[in-house]
Amino acid sequence: NAGVTQTPKFRVLKTGQSMTLLCAQDMNHEYMYWYRQDPGMGLRLIHYSVGEGTTAKGEVPDGYNVSRLKKQNFLLGLESAAPSQTSVYFCASSYRAPAGTEAFFGQGTRLTVV
Amino acid sequence: GENVEQHPSTLSVQEGDSAVIKCTYSDSASNYFPWYKQELGKRPQLIIDIHSNVGEKKDQRIAVTLNKTAKHFSLHITETQPEDSAVYFCAASLANFGNEKLTFGTGTRLTIIP
Repeated sequence: NAGVTQTPKFRVLKTGQSMTLLCAQDMNHEYMYWYRQDPGMGLRLIHYSVGEGTTAKGEVPDGYNVSRLKKQNFLLGLESAAPSQTSVYFCASSYRAPAGTEAFFGQGTRLTVV
Repeated sequence: GENVEQHPSTLSVQEGDSAVIKCTYSDSASNYFPWYKQELGKRPQLIIDIHSNVGEKKDQRIAVTLNKTAKHFSLHITETQPEDSAVYFCAASLANFGNEKLTFGTGTRLTIIP
């Protein structure tokens, strides 16, 4: 069982370039999330999805777009990368449940924008 | 929105001693409070969680306490071991059917001194 898998693991972009981060989960989870992790700032929610075909903004959505065309995949796009988007990005997924439930994280993507 | 504050940001304890990490939250409607452990270069993983209808929960050497009136919750690790060294994150959310708005604290770097 692979769990949550992120592609790629590392990437270096030039300012203004675009890229897409892929998150795939094989646990049939309804909820999926994208976080960014910066030193001293914890994990901040960028966008999330409560089901196939739906997305919503999180705490820091500016400069990012997302899509969830298939239940198992959640894509994070950067249309025009900026140095401020240098970060470690984590995808996570969880079941839909009556109350909070464990979020399973991917291994992370380290992105550097130069 | 929810704001979660976590203290201390760094904590060093002698092996075998206890460690306590404290978090406060701002939204009295929050009902789910997980704790995640992140080892160096790894993904965050859930170690314990508590729902708002419970005041305390234990799992071997780890316990979490919740004070809804004061809006704070704490992680207690007893008989610390070298493998407890990691960054610990608290989080809070108003979870209806999932972790739609899981807000993380800024993390505590715990170092166990042999």
